[in-house]
Amino acid sequence: EDKVVQSPLSLVVHEGDTVTLNCSYEVTNFRSLLWYKQEKKAPTFLFMLTSSGIEKKSGRLSSILDKKELFSILNITATQTGDSAIYLCAVEEIYNQGGKLIFGQGTELSVKP
Amino acid sequence: DVKVTQSSRYLVKRTGEKVFLECVQDMDHENMFWYRQDPGLGLRLIYFSYDVKMKEKGDIPEGYSVSREKKERFSLILESASTNQTSMYLCASSLGHGYRQPQHFGDGTRLSIL
Repeated sequence: EDKVVQSPLSLVVHEGDTVTLNCSYEVTNFRSLLWYKQEKKAPTFLFMLTSSGIEKKSGRLSSILDKKELFSILNITATQTGDSAIYLCAVEEIYNQGGKLIFGQGTELSVKP
Repeated sequence: DVKVTQSSRYLVKRTGEKVFLECVQDMDHENMFWYRQDPGLGLRLIYFSYDVKMKEKGDIPEGYSVSREKKERFSLILESASTNQTSMYLCASSLGHGYRQPQHFGDGTRLSIL
């Protein structure tokens, strides 16, 4: 059965810390891996990764994919209280006319002042 | 910017009622999706659609149906609501096959079944 597993499930850090969130997967027809950030409302898109070893970066956030070992990490440096959110990892599976997402459980990050 | 709009942020219904959740997107996306989100379980796919009048079952379709009469609108229907359908429901849309573009989500509907 296809699955996506995130760790840790929750994390509490202080402002300025660096955090690493993990996502491992077992998906038969892999197309891409995506990271989303969810605060109180809609998950917002962060990164889409399709190739191994190529780091995607946006400000203090970065992510990389390892298709051989089947995992991805999301790094956040110099964390701020505004980074507090649930971070969702999803793998897009090739399916019929398109793709569908399989989500992990999410990592709840809390950044204390 | 992509806009996915869900008709209600909060909804309270009674057991046995027929419940309609509406979702509209304004970017001419072919694909639309309905998920439910529960603590510890993440987002689980209920139904999705790649085109008007097309629908596909997701991982947890039991107790739900969908309707897609127009490209921009995708409705989720709870035929006879039950308490175990109390959840956060999220709608998403994306461009069609061949486009490597992410899904964009609405703000969600928090549904309580009493």
